[in-house]
Amino acid sequence: DQQVKQNSPSLSVQEGRISILNCDYTNSMFDYFLWYKKYPAEGPTFLISISSIKDKNEDGRFTVFLNKSAKHLSLHIVPSQPGDSAVYFCAANSRGLTFGSGTQLTVLP
Amino acid sequence: KAGVTQTPRYLIKTRGQQVTLSCSPISGHRSVSWYQQTPGQGLQFLFEYFSETQRNKGNFPGRFSGRQFSNSRSEMNVSTLELGDSALYLCASSIMPGQNTEAFFGQGTRLTVV
Repeated sequence: DQQVKQNSPSLSVQEGRISILNCDYTNSMFDYFLWYKKYPAEGPTFLISISSIKDKNEDGRFTVFLNKSAKHLSLHIVPSQPGDSAVYFCAANSRGLTFGSGTQLTVLP
Repeated sequence: KAGVTQTPRYLIKTRGQQVTLSCSPISGHRSVSWYQQTPGQGLQFLFEYFSETQRNKGNFPGRFSGRQFSNSRSEMNVSTLELGDSALYLCASSIMPGQNTEAFFGQGTRLTVV
């Protein structure tokens, strides 16, 4: 039973435009969420996190939105750059990180 | 500040053997967690250690074990290796355990079981 779901395996975006990556969760006990970026054969790199007491957290080009009632979060990257091309994982932190299956983002020059 | 260091980076073992992987956390971080990444199952939580004690454990068989030393360094061991244990094993460290903390990952150990 997947408790954290990323339903889009891939996303392509033009350089300079907005990338929106989505994530849904089923466990209402989750109250802290993180986004990681991963290149092949490397460990995930922490990007940004959000606590359930907030509905938005911003860090530079990255903004995470949380909709608790819909059990949905999204990561916005503005503007997207070719170096952002990677696999993005959302995760919930509850007795260890529970990861989604990832979304491959490709930013086209 | 050095990041999370995992050794070795690559390892090839034969079915039935055992293997030990090592992780040195970021200086000052006292919590270490281990994860397995495979193409079929994605990233899965193995276990978490803090103050030399296992705090949480994922849904893996007893062949997977770990420990943490007084300097926060951690090792994980897999006994009686199976072909399906081939994976990227990732270690993550955080300042303290707990839900509202960020974890920072090492580059991983790529284990191949033949």
